[in-house]
Amino acid sequence: SQELEQSPQSLIVQEGKNLTINCTSSKTLYGLYWYKQKYGEGLIFLMMLQKGGEEKSHEKITAKLDEKKQQSSLHITASQPSHAGIYLCGAASQGGSEKLVFGKGMKLTVNP
Amino acid sequence: EPEVTQTPSHQVTQMGQEVILRCVPISNHLYFYWYRQILGQKVEFLVSFYNNEISEKSEIFDDQFSVERPDGSNFTLKIRSTKLEDSAMYFCASSVLPRGGNYGYTFGSGTRLTVV
Repeated sequence: SQELEQSPQSLIVQEGKNLTINCTSSKTLYGLYWYKQKYGEGLIFLMMLQKGGEEKSHEKITAKLDEKKQQSSLHITASQPSHAGIYLCGAASQGGSEKLVFGKGMKLTVNP
Repeated sequence: EPEVTQTPSHQVTQMGQEVILRCVPISNHLYFYWYRQILGQKVEFLVSFYNNEISEKSEIFDDQFSVERPDGSNFTLKIRSTKLEDSAMYFCASSVLPRGGNYGYTFGSGTRLTVV
C-alpha cells in the first residue's frame, strides 16, 4: 500500500523565516494534495499538483511536484504566526481510486 | 463561504452502543467522504459515496459501519456496535470532483467520538 513520508516531523521558526516541507511517496503519484490542519479542526485545502514539474502558489505558499522522485515540496516565504498548524500531504492510492492516503503531517510553529 | 457542517462536535458513548454521526455537505457537491483520525495518527479514509451509493470503502469500513444520504442534504455515518478502538475524530468531506480535483475536499470540523 502507498505510504507518504513527510519531513521534517515538526519545525519551529522565527516569524519572517522561509521554510520547506517535503512529502515523499512510496509509489507513483496520481495527484498530490496539500492540506493544513489547525489543532482539533478540519483540514483546509491548499493546493493540488498533478503533473511533473508543476508548481502552484497560494499567497506565500508554493508547492512543487517532482514526479520522477515521487516527491513534493511546500515552501513558505516570510512565515507568519498565521502559518502555524499541521501541514498534511495526501495522494490518490492508485489511478482510479477515490481514496486519499495522507502523511502523518508536519507541525509548524511560528514564533513572533 | 460554504461550509460542511458536522454534528455533534463531541460524542461520548458506551461500548456496544450505536452512534450516528451527521454531516451536511455543501449543496452543489456530488462526492461525499468519511475519514477518521485516531489521536496522534494519520487521517484515514473510511468510505466514499457518489450517486447515492458507496463508490469505495476501506478495510476499516466493515459491517459495523454504514452510510446514508437519506434526504438529499444530510450524510450520515452509523456505527452499529461501537468498540473502544472506534474512538477517533471523524471527518466528513465533500467535493465537486472525485478526490477533490483542483478544488480539493471541503472538510467539516469533525466529530470527536469517545467510546468508554
